[in-house]
Amino acid sequence: DTGVSQDPRHKITKRGQNVTFRCDPISEHNRLYWYRQTLGQGPEFLTYFQNEAQLEKSRLLSDRFSAERPKGSFSTLEIQRTEQGDSAMYLCASSPPGVAPHSPLHFGNGTRLTVT
Amino acid sequence: AQKITQTQPGMFVQEKEAVTLDCTYDTSDQSYGLFWYKQPSSGEMIFLIYQGSYDEQNATEGRYSLNFQKARKSANLVISASQLGDSAMYFCAMRGGYQKVTFGIGTKLQVIP
Repeated sequence: DTGVSQDPRHKITKRGQNVTFRCDPISEHNRLYWYRQTLGQGPEFLTYFQNEAQLEKSRLLSDRFSAERPKGSFSTLEIQRTEQGDSAMYLCASSPPGVAPHSPLHFGNGTRLTVT
Repeated sequence: AQKITQTQPGMFVQEKEAVTLDCTYDTSDQSYGLFWYKQPSSGEMIFLIYQGSYDEQNATEGRYSLNFQKARKSANLVISASQLGDSAMYFCAMRGGYQKVTFGIGTKLQVIP
């Protein structure tokens, strides 16, 4: 169990540029989540995959955000035409198959995005 | 819809003392899970403890216990024998069914030597 891995750890980009983040979940986990956390707030849900199917998207996720999990393993989160308000920590989490709601989420260390 | 309320923005506790972090929740689900996470200044989210809605006993994990009062919809975290390494943000969270996990805004705990 190597844990949830996120890449990169930090990303600085200029307003208007596109960015892509990657998340590798724990290998046997079939559920994968993306959250966004700004300073002084708790994590806010963005989207959720079960295997390769994207089952839920938050209304926070504007058209500039897209997430994929093509083979049910790793996932990518892309932000197009970044804005300064996109600056945040982007957290990925995974959970194993089995009976929800009992499964806790296992988080990666996050990708900190700064838009200048 | 699910909602988590944490009303203590910051708490101080003396080293070796116990501290209670408050959490109330709201949900229409009959089956749900309640979680507490710790987030040190380094940023990682660390899972601490889980309580199921049908569990009759309060959950315990080492120095952490969850004071679950279903009728009051509260799920307070109790940390016994506080240590300096307990200084961190603490988030209460809940999940109903296969839904997303909803988090509160957190409580910042500072342990004083």
